[in-house]
Amino acid sequence: DTGVSQDPRHKITKRGQNVTFRCDPISEHNRLYWYRQTLGQGPEFLTYFQNEAQLEKSRLLSDRFSAERPKGSFSTLEIQRTEQGDSAMYLCASSLAGRGTYEQYFGPGTRLTVT
Amino acid sequence: EDQVTQSPEALRLQEGESSSLNCSYTVSGLRGLFWYRQDPGKGPEFLFTLYSAGEEKEKERLKATLTKKESFLHITAPKPEDSATYLCAVQAGGGNKLTFGTGTQLKVEL
Repeated sequence: DTGVSQDPRHKITKRGQNVTFRCDPISEHNRLYWYRQTLGQGPEFLTYFQNEAQLEKSRLLSDRFSAERPKGSFSTLEIQRTEQGDSAMYLCASSLAGRGTYEQYFGPGTRLTVT
Repeated sequence: EDQVTQSPEALRLQEGESSSLNCSYTVSGLRGLFWYRQDPGKGPEFLFTLYSAGEEKEKERLKATLTKKESFLHITAPKPEDSATYLCAVQAGGGNKLTFGTGTQLKVEL
């Protein structure tokens, strides 16, 4: 399977703990995106990378969130000092890059529950 | 700020009963409108991209159309396996992020 993969699929953590999620994009895709989705809502943009450069971050993204894509391949999303409001599905997507408009392909998501 | 509104929030159909889902949008400089299907507990699955008013795309029982203010996803003779949440998203201006609506939850019954 050459789709977007995410790990872990589920994570349960206690409030105040740090968590890290991993995303592996489709191999030929230069752009990688992170979104967050809560129940009954559409995905909400968090940040995106083109190769290893982080080009845009949502103004809603708390300082407790940090994302990296060190070698332009996989990416990690870390949440420090988790809060109950961080409970959500964290989705990763990837796309080609260029001057056109390209569809984004999503992974299966990581379901985070903060207790 | 880009806005996407989907209606209805939920729709229940009998198998074979055709219908349409609506996605209205307010953006500055539409670059693309995207339809996705999402099954419970899974990530969105790409269906269509529409780029300009008047464009139409089809896939099996689904047909997507686009005007300057809204898009429709027409479902012809649906089957139970078409049950899912259908999400609409836009990409606009100079950015690459997608702005999503809240989705239409479709249930098709025998």
